[in-house]
Amino acid sequence: TQLLEQSPQFLSIQEGENLTVYCNSSSVFSSLQWYRQEPGEGPVLLVTVVTGGEVKKLKRLTFQFGDARKDSSLHITAAQPGDTGLYLCAGYFGNEKLTFGTGTRLTIIP
Amino acid sequence: NAGVMQNPRHLVRRRGQEARLRCSPMKGHSHVYWYRQLPEEGLKFMVYLQKENIIDESGMPKERFSAEFPKEGPSILRIQQVVRGDSAAYFCASSRLRLAGGGTDTQYFGPGTRLTVL
Repeated sequence: TQLLEQSPQFLSIQEGENLTVYCNSSSVFSSLQWYRQEPGEGPVLLVTVVTGGEVKKLKRLTFQFGDARKDSSLHITAAQPGDTGLYLCAGYFGNEKLTFGTGTRLTIIP
Repeated sequence: NAGVMQNPRHLVRRRGQEARLRCSPMKGHSHVYWYRQLPEEGLKFMVYLQKENIIDESGMPKERFSAEFPKEGPSILRIQQVVRGDSAAYFCASSRLRLAGGGTDTQYFGPGTRLTVL
């Protein structure tokens, strides 16, 4: 059974600060995705990373895939209240099942 | 282009009753996935279906839970004789292609059905 651990579980920071959240697994991902989920809604895909060492940027969000494809990070620059939400990493391990991490609940304080 | 539709959005059942959750995939998508999310937890895979076929049900509890995706109509997740532990948010996702990781297609999630068992 593949497990994805996310850290921190909860994060509360002031508007304008930078932050990084992490996603780790003991197994190699075929590919990894990051989602954001708002209360009462389904997860919304932010990015998919496939190649070890890959870096993708989405405005103030930077996603990195580890060289060994076992870990990933999400860095947010100059956080804004609109960034508040539950951030989930999810990985494929060679089949159709998407395995989700435990999530990081982010709160940006205005 | 409408996204994945789920209904009802909220469902309240008493212990022992049946719950039926419906999912209409995005237009052109023939692959459907069901997930369950307990409070303060991530999503857990339950079942993967194509039209008229169950492909992978390794995440489904062995008893009381069943899923179908008929040739016509929405996918249905059915929970018989519900218990309090079934209270959760149930999400459906759909994709155009069969996913095997590393590809460019993805799953699109619906808004979920929140089941409360009294």
